[in-house]
Amino acid sequence: EVQLVESGGGLVQPGGSLRLSCATSGFTFSDHHMDWVRQAPGKGLEWIGRTKDKLRGHRTEYGASVKGRFTISRDDSEKSVFLQLNSLQTEDTAVYFCARVGRSSETHQDALDIWGQGTMVTVSS
Amino acid sequence: AIQMTQSPSSLSASVGDRVTVTCRASQGIGNDLGWYQQKPGKAPKLLIYAASTLQSGVPSRFSGSGSGTDFTLTISSLQPEDFATYYCLEDYNYPLTFGGGTKVEIK
Repeated sequence: EVQLVESGGGLVQPGGSLRLSCATSGFTFSDHHMDWVRQAPGKGLEWIGRTKDKLRGHRTEYGASVKGRFTISRDDSEKSVFLQLNSLQTEDTAVYFCARVGRSSETHQDALDIWGQGTMVTVSS
Repeated sequence: AIQMTQSPSSLSASVGDRVTVTCRASQGIGNDLGWYQQKPGKAPKLLIYAASTLQSGVPSRFSGSGSGTDFTLTISSLQPEDFATYYCLEDYNYPLTFGGGTKVEIK
């Protein structure tokens, strides 16, 4: 069974840091891009960023609101992806989801096909 | 960054109704668009990718259409389990962008 499990969320003060983890199982991790998406309380979904697969050298892409503050990394041997959150602000309070990027063998197009349950990050003094 | 304008932001419908949600991209994105369903307290679920391809296991009452800038998600006959919020996501280029969401409520 394909599974993604996030951890590491919690309460942090403004200006603080936190590291989220996403442990995966049930698929060949190194073959997939992995994304992070967040959702502030009562709000919509926001794409945070991506770490690309081994073939593409694990290169990363980021959304504008987090670029320079958040860092995505991965460990293919541990089948895990990480999100380092620095310089946290109250507006970063959200549930953070990791998601697998699946590529269709028919259309060769990507989609976020498997999601974790999310981990809550609260930034407050 | 590409902007995705989703409409309506909410709608009320009855079981059995045909429901349509639209997303408009600020520039052409080919068919690089997916639709996701999210229920309260749960993670999003992929329904459709490549604008019109149904994800495995998703009921056939869901369909997607469109290309370029205008896209549509249609639920042909709304079922009780379909009351949820729906999001489009473009993956044409970085950064990826979600639409604002459409909450489908019971009339």
